[in-house]
Formats: sequence, C-alpha cells, structure tokens
Amino acid sequence: EDQVTQSPEALRLQEGESSSLNCSYTVSGLRGLFWYRQDPGKGPEFLFTLYSAGEEKEKERLKATLTKKESFLHITAPKPEDSATYLCAARSGSARQLTFGSGTQLTVLP
Amino acid sequence: GAVVSQHPSWVICKSGTSVKIECRSLDFQATTMFWYRQFPKQSLMLMATSNEGSKATYEQGVEKDKFLINHASLTLSTLTVTSAHPEDSSFYICSAKTNRDGQQYFGPGTRLTVL
Repeated sequence: EDQVTQSPEALRLQEGESSSLNCSYTVSGLRGLFWYRQDPGKGPEFLFTLYSAGEEKEKERLKATLTKKESFLHITAPKPEDSATYLCAARSGSARQLTFGSGTQLTVLP
Repeated sequence: GAVVSQHPSWVICKSGTSVKIECRSLDFQATTMFWYRQFPKQSLMLMATSNEGSKATYEQGVEKDKFLINHASLTLSTLTVTSAHPEDSSFYICSAKTNRDGQQYFGPGTRLTVL
C-alpha cells in the first residue's frame, strides 16, 4: 500500500529563517512526487512535480528535491505570505490517483 | 494555465436534502476527474475517480449511492450528495487531470454544511 508521511505537522518560522519540510514516501514504482500549497478554505495549488532521484526544481523561495525515499521542500528566507499548508503527494506506477500526506502547516511570523 | 472551477463555493442545506456540486475544467479537457473530501486540519481523502463516459470508481468505504458522480463531458463532473446529514458536512475538492501532460489541477473547493 502506498504511503506518504510528512513532517513536521506544523512549523513556525521567523521571517527570513530558512528551513525544510520533509516528505517520506513508500510507493511501488514512483511516477511522480508532487508538492502543493493550500491556503485555508481553498483548493491545493500545484507547485512542483519531481520524477527521479536527484531531481531539483525551484520557484522563487522554494526548492524541491527528491531522493529514492523522500523529498524535501526547502524554503529560503521565507516571508509571511509563504504561510500555508504544504501538501506532498505521490503517484505509483499502478495507481491513477495521488496518495497525499497529511501536510505541514507553515506559519511565518513577521 | 490549467484552471478548475467548482460551484457552488459554499452551500448550507437541511438534513435530508440533496446537494449537487459541479467541477469544470475551464481551459483544458480532462478525461479523468477526482473527488476529494477534507476535514479540518486533515489532508485530502480521495472519494472517487471519475472517467468521462463511464461509471466512477469509488474508494473503499465511500457509499456510491450516497455520493453520486456523473462525468458527462470532458470538462464537467458533478458530485451529488444525496439525503445529506450533518456528518456529511465537509470541504469537497475536485481535481482534473490534463490529457496533455498528466498533471492534476485542483478546484477551489466547496464547503458543505448540513444543518
């Protein structure tokens, strides 16, 4: 059974304090590791897709990396507007759907 | 970009009534759409996968007679919550998978409150 685990559950940072969010996955034949941002009361917003170990993608202050067992979302010099819940999801070779982690609620204090 | 809309964005209904939620892909065709349910401070739980022109595939524990899904066209899927009860109150989110690149884009969600 595919499993995705995110840590920490919640993270509070001061503005400018860089950190990383972790996503550990157990899937058979990974066909994509996805990161989404979700604001309260809204649907997830697509951020990145990673397909193979060693792959990295960047967007503004965010950088996603992938190994064979986990993915990291690095946040460099975060701002209060980066506060949101960050969701990680994986798609296995046999599944059409995504398996989601429980998310990391990020709060960036001014 | 790929935009997915949902309507309504929120709905309040009385117990026993039925509620229909629409999910549309606005600028792309989606052979496959997904319906999720999300409780406060929890992640998304897949309810069903809907394919255009065929019956939806429901996840274990999801009552197909209670949550009716219709995917009549490549841009529209509907979820009908029949005989809604307070325990059905939740945030329902749809997503559509693009045919061109296989990415999955999410709608803004529908907040259902059953009194």
